[in-house]
Parts: sequence; C-alpha cells; structure tokens
Amino acid sequence: GAGVSQSPSNKVTEKGKDVELRCDPISGHTALYWYRQSLGQGLEFLIYFQGNSAPDKSGLPSDRFSAERTGGSVSTLTIQRTQQEDSAVYLCASSLLRDLNEQFFGPGTRLTVL
Amino acid sequence: AQSVTQPDIHITVSEGASLELRCNYSYGATPYLFWYVQSPGQGLQLLLKYFSGDTLVQGIKGFEAEFKRSQSSFNLRKPSVHWSDAAEYFCAVGAPFNNDMRFGAGTRLTVKP
Repeated sequence: GAGVSQSPSNKVTEKGKDVELRCDPISGHTALYWYRQSLGQGLEFLIYFQGNSAPDKSGLPSDRFSAERTGGSVSTLTIQRTQQEDSAVYLCASSLLRDLNEQFFGPGTRLTVL
Repeated sequence: AQSVTQPDIHITVSEGASLELRCNYSYGATPYLFWYVQSPGQGLQLLLKYFSGDTLVQGIKGFEAEFKRSQSSFNLRKPSVHWSDAAEYFCAVGAPFNNDMRFGAGTRLTVKP
C-alpha cells in the first residue's frame, strides 16, 4: 500500500496477557517510530528505529515493552503482562532520511486492557 | 535531545475569530519544525513544516506559522477559524539530518458557533 499500515486496528485483551502490535512502514522509509497516545494525552514517544543502527528505546515506559524491526521494514511492538494503564492508541510512523524528517502516520491500534 | 512545549492544553475560539497556538522548542541549532493536526477519529496530518529560509511558512487549510529564533517559538496562526478546524494540534521538532523527532503534548481546539 501507499501509506503506513497497522494491525490490528483494535485489540481488546485481558490484564496480564501479552499483545503484539504490527506496523508496516512506507516502502523505502528508513526510520520508524512508535508512539502512544492515551486518552486526553499527547503523543508519547516510545521507540525509534533508524536503518541498521541500534534503536533509541529511551521512551519505553517499562521493561514490559519491547519492539523489533525485522529486515529494516516491518516492526512489532510487544507488551508483556498488560496492565490497564497500557490502554491507549499506539501509533506508528515512518520517514525517509533527509526528507525534512516528515513523518507519515499509520491509523493506529487502539488497545483496551480489561 | 530536542524537546517541545505547547503551553496551552485547550483553547476555545469562536468561528470566524483568529487563532494562535503556541509552540516553544529546545534545540541547540536551527531545528526542523512541524505542525500536525489530528481531527476526531482521524490520523495525524502534516499542516506545515519549516527547515530554513523564510521564517513565515504557509501550510494547508489556511494555516501559517512563524519561526522566531530569538524566542525559540513556532506559533501556528489562522486569521479566521472554521468549525471544521476543531481538532488536536501537535507541534514537533526534529534535528536536521536526523530522524529523531519530538512532539509536544498537543493543544485541543474547540470552535464555538
């Protein structure tokens, strides 16, 4: 597709379960970002991948959160032992290096932890 | 790392009135600056961006923003607000040749009839 896609669009899970959220960036984009947007809150930076460099994980809120990017393309954000406070919309964005850093956002995954 | 502050969490303006949303950034050199809009139930859309040159930047939907280095600001303006402008607005700062970008907490705009 032409844009960033994310799956699933909605995910409802029970407290304590693990979840995986997927992001397919725009083809050729070298940078990929994950953000969290809680109800009434702004965009919280989680993690940033740039090419083959080590990711910037400085925004991950706890060790229950992890992400990987395979082959420099698809990324998976994993949340282990989910808590109710993890409920939020998780947004993925990608950008092309040296393209004025414009990020193109996916539609997000709405995660609800019961 | 760079950072950005949006001092106003929520602003209400009347339709037809002018609008200014504030954004202050922290970065040691000239940054890349962006404004994004998120309409209810929609994804984030880029309104405008600044990277060099003319400090007054025109964007889509009649918006403009002015980069003021002395004030470390990049405020968003619109001369006459329309009801459809009601949305969440995010300012973002990026470092040149570095895809690391930081977003502000956002300003929610309500438009009164």
